[in-house]
Amino acid sequence: QVQLVESGGGVVQPGTSLRLSCAASGFNFNNFGMHWVRQAPGKGLEWVAVIWYDGSNRYYADSVEGRFSISRDNSKNTLYLEMSSLRAEDTAVYYCARDPGVTTLNNRFDYWGQGTLVSVSS
Amino acid sequence: EIVMTQSPATLSVSPGERATLSCRASQSVRNFFLAWYQQKPGQSPRLLIYGASTRAAGIPARISGSGSGTEFTLTISSLQSEDFAVYYCQQYSAWPLTFGGGTKVEI
Repeated sequence: QVQLVESGGGVVQPGTSLRLSCAASGFNFNNFGMHWVRQAPGKGLEWVAVIWYDGSNRYYADSVEGRFSISRDNSKNTLYLEMSSLRAEDTAVYYCARDPGVTTLNNRFDYWGQGTLVSVSS
Repeated sequence: EIVMTQSPATLSVSPGERATLSCRASQSVRNFFLAWYQQKPGQSPRLLIYGASTRAAGIPARISGSGSGTEFTLTISSLQSEDFAVYYCQQYSAWPLTFGGGTKVEI
């Protein structure tokens, strides 16, 4: 079955960097676009970034553009989110989510990981 | 950016009753590119509906979606205990992808 397992979250100070990982299994990772979606404590969902199945394209939310970088290693079935210049408002649970499109993007989310908490605080 | 607005913020219903949740878009959502998700406390979201009205795999028939353009509705025909949760709509018609603020369905 499809499994997505995030890791790398933690407590960091403002202005620092952090890298999140998402290990995928149970499907052909090479064929699916992947997203990061975040949820601040007690708040709603916010889409963060997407990467095409082959890594050829990436889009970002304006709130993270220039500070976050999404990447993937298809040989390791792993998705990454490199976060820099972190701010208090980046505090959230970060979910990786699969796009259901096969070698294309549908831009919705059919499987989600359990999330990893990032807390930015001095 | 397409802003998604959900109403009401909280819906109080009794088991067995019908629940109707609304999602309004600030601009027309083309091609019915609208999805609904359910999130229970401490859990990840779960895809319920895509294409405005197509149920995802394993979603019971009591859950249905409708609408087009800027007005969309999620209906749960007879609420079961497992349906009490927060529901989010999401448009995938344009970048950036955006969610509504959610509707909490409570007993």
